[in-house]
Parts: sequence; C-alpha cells; structure tokens
Amino acid sequence: SQQGEEDPQALSIQEGENATMNCSYKTSINNLQWYRQNSGRGLVHLILIRSNEREKHSGRLRVTLDTSKKSSSLLITASRAADTASYFCATALRGGSEKLVFGKGTKLTVNP
Amino acid sequence: ETGVTQTPRHLVMGMTNKKSLKCEQHLGHNAMYWYKQSAKKPLELMFVYSLEERVENNSVPSRFSPECPNSSHLFLHLHTLQPEDSALYLCASSQAGIYNEQFFGPGTRLTVL
Repeated sequence: SQQGEEDPQALSIQEGENATMNCSYKTSINNLQWYRQNSGRGLVHLILIRSNEREKHSGRLRVTLDTSKKSSSLLITASRAADTASYFCATALRGGSEKLVFGKGTKLTVNP
Repeated sequence: ETGVTQTPRHLVMGMTNKKSLKCEQHLGHNAMYWYKQSAKKPLELMFVYSLEERVENNSVPSRFSPECPNSSHLFLHLHTLQPEDSALYLCASSQAGIYNEQFFGPGTRLTVL
C-alpha cells in the first residue's frame, strides 16, 4: 500500500465547524506536507512540518506530527464553503531527494 | 496563479496519435516534475528533473517520453497511448531539496480514445 493514507476518505460538515483530517505513513520521513486541490485543478501547498517539529499553525490551519505513531493531522478551524476541496498529505522520505509520496486524499465538503 | 502554466488544458487523442504536453514555470526553480492523477488512485510521480538532469523515472512505460530543455520548461511527449492512460497530468516545480514545497500547474486533462 502507499506511503501516505488519509482518513477519512470523505468528510461533510457545516460552515463554521472544524474539520480534522488524518494521515498515516509507513517509513521514516524528513518532512510531511499538506496540499489542497480544488476539483480538476492543480494542487496548492498549505503547510510543511519537519520531522523534528510537533505542531505548526498557519491562519486557520493547524498541523500536528507524531513520528512515534507515524501520523499527522490537519485541522481547519471555523470552516467556510470555500474550503471545499480535496486535501492530500505528502511525505518526503528520509534519505530521498526531491521525491514526495502522496496519499489518496480526503474530500472535504463544507455546506453553507 | 501558482507561476506554473500547462498547455493544453484539455487533450483528446487516438491511440495512434503523437502529442506533447508543455509545462513552463516562472518561479526560478531548478526542479520539475510530472505526475499522473487517476480517479481513486494516489498521485503518481512519473519523472523528476533536478538541475535539468532526470533523477527519477518511476517505471513509466516508454510511450511517455519527458524532455527538459532548460530549467523553465518541461515537456511530456506521448505516443501510442492506451485508454488507461486517460488522466489528469500535473506538472510541478520547486527549488531542489527536500524541504521545499512544490508548486503545481493546473494540469492537462487527457482522454485517450
């Protein structure tokens, strides 16, 4: 199976609620990145967390990393309809080069 | 806009055709990537060019042929494709190095008849 797996595969919430997505991976990493993709478009980088970091914030986004459990979570607070998109985690493997390994993504729908 | 452009945005081709996808980045990056995105599958890395040298070729069939004439341009030449090659093809660029984010183009939606 692939390196990164997001959970859940799909998430539907109301505007104003928080959305939490999880990512698990299998091998040691240098860093983990989260990307967002609107339907049929390219991916947009959201946040990067290094293997020696445990938490990072950017605006309404909060990312945590637990290397002992090989997992990460992305929290979007006070969600908006415009947050509707697919969210992917990508891992940069230890000992690797510029290669990122992506998961299948979580499809988030925020209902107005 | 991310600074990475791709043309064409949509392409329909027969299995005997030859076509090329083009990617251009205006960000001064020195690494470029081709990815394939199919429904219900993870994003698949196809090729990586770093400092204009191909550093990754993920067992991609020879009917896909990449070309990187300079650090700003990347092509994917297609010939005798199969229907299962229908997908969204994404180009990305970054500064070479593992701690750098990748910037993606909007993709080319390819349909092989």
